[in-house]
Amino acid sequence: DTGVSQDPRHKITKRGQNVTFRCDPISEHNRLYWYRQTLGQGPEFLTYFQNEAQLEKSRLLSDRFSAERPKGSFSTLEIQRTEQGDSAMYLCASSPWDRNEQFFGPGTRLTVL
Amino acid sequence: DQQVKQNSPSLSVQEGRISILNCDYTNSMFDYFLWYKKYPAEGPTFLISISSIKDKNEDGRFTVFLNKSAKHLSLHIVPSQPGDSAVYFCAATVDTGNQFYFGTGTSLTVIP
Repeated sequence: DTGVSQDPRHKITKRGQNVTFRCDPISEHNRLYWYRQTLGQGPEFLTYFQNEAQLEKSRLLSDRFSAERPKGSFSTLEIQRTEQGDSAMYLCASSPWDRNEQFFGPGTRLTVL
Repeated sequence: DQQVKQNSPSLSVQEGRISILNCDYTNSMFDYFLWYKKYPAEGPTFLISISSIKDKNEDGRFTVFLNKSAKHLSLHIVPSQPGDSAVYFCAATVDTGNQFYFGTGTSLTVIP
């Protein structure tokens, strides 16, 4: 087991472009979370999947953000029409169904120019 | 609204002494609390947790204390070691674990 992986690790894009990030959780974990973290802040919850079902979505999440977990394994987070304010570290985490302790990936750092 | 708060952005402690990191929360529905440690360029790593049915949980050098009436928890590290230097986040959730709220972190420096 190699832990939670995220791809890419870094992404630089121009304002207005769409970006997509991928997260591969630990294989037996059916819970998957996406977070956003900016400098000096803690991880901010974006969305939660249990298997392929998206059960929670932050009310702060604009409609430019969408996430999927089509087969209950890997997940993707897409940001459409990126804005400079989207620049942040995007973290993915997973956990088993019966535990609250999350395993985080290394994150994808997004820079919007 | 920040439901989990860590009011000390940084803390410096001498090696061998005790480090005490504090966390306050506002939502009385929270019933499970966690501490994570984060090194630069890495994701947070789970450290220790506590359920609201307990007031203390210990794991080696790390102990978490929960005061529900004060809506306050603290992480004690004793003895502190230079390798403990990192940013520490506290987090809280309702036991369904569908959504977690993190504090802003405390940067701990352990001085050799």
